[in-house]
Amino acid sequence: AQSVTQLDSHVSVSEGTPVLLRCNYSSSYSPSLFWYVQHPNKGLQLLLKYTSAATLVKGINGFEAEFKKSETSFHLTKPSAHMSDAAEYFCVVSEPTGTASKLTFGTGTRLQVTL
Amino acid sequence: DTGVSQDPRHKITKRGQNVTFRCDPISEHNRLYWYRQTLGQGPEFLTYFQNEAQLEKSRLLSDRFSAERPKGSFSTLEIQRTEQGDSAMYLCASTSRGGVQGEKLFFGSGTQLSVL
Repeated sequence: AQSVTQLDSHVSVSEGTPVLLRCNYSSSYSPSLFWYVQHPNKGLQLLLKYTSAATLVKGINGFEAEFKKSETSFHLTKPSAHMSDAAEYFCVVSEPTGTASKLTFGTGTRLQVTL
Repeated sequence: DTGVSQDPRHKITKRGQNVTFRCDPISEHNRLYWYRQTLGQGPEFLTYFQNEAQLEKSRLLSDRFSAERPKGSFSTLEIQRTEQGDSAMYLCASTSRGGVQGEKLFFGSGTQLSVL
């Protein structure tokens, strides 16, 4: 069994300040972990993925996430928020093998970026 | 735009009516997935196709739901005798690689269904 918990349903930051979106996971195996972003009226887009290689994963648009097995966490960070980062972010856990039918999405964190 | 396209963007229907949604994946992608997303939740897997074969169905897919991908290209998702609980965003995604580690999903913008 697997699950993912996004600890904040809503995060608000000022433009130019750091972003931290928190995600904890539970899995019976060594999981694959992903972050997806959903902008209004756009399809979900893959930001980054962890698949048992380096624990610090760099993604698109300056985002990165660190896999911490001891804390069962996979938090998403960005040093400096931009207005265009405002969106819904989903943390996703999966079995290490198999198809996308095995993806379990979190409930999402809405990121608001203010001037 | 050569991404995944879904039609219609919005559908409002009355309880008991049938509805059909269409998904056009990226042309070279052989895997196509359907997900459902309700308000405040993340997407949940419904079913997927490899080429024209429907390989897996979720328990969420009741017998009122049927999906097809007749020529291994576009796919349709039909809901018969709609219920208010069917109100959700229906998402389609496609990919060309097998295995989660190598599988990058490309999502459409979804079809928002409202059942009155």
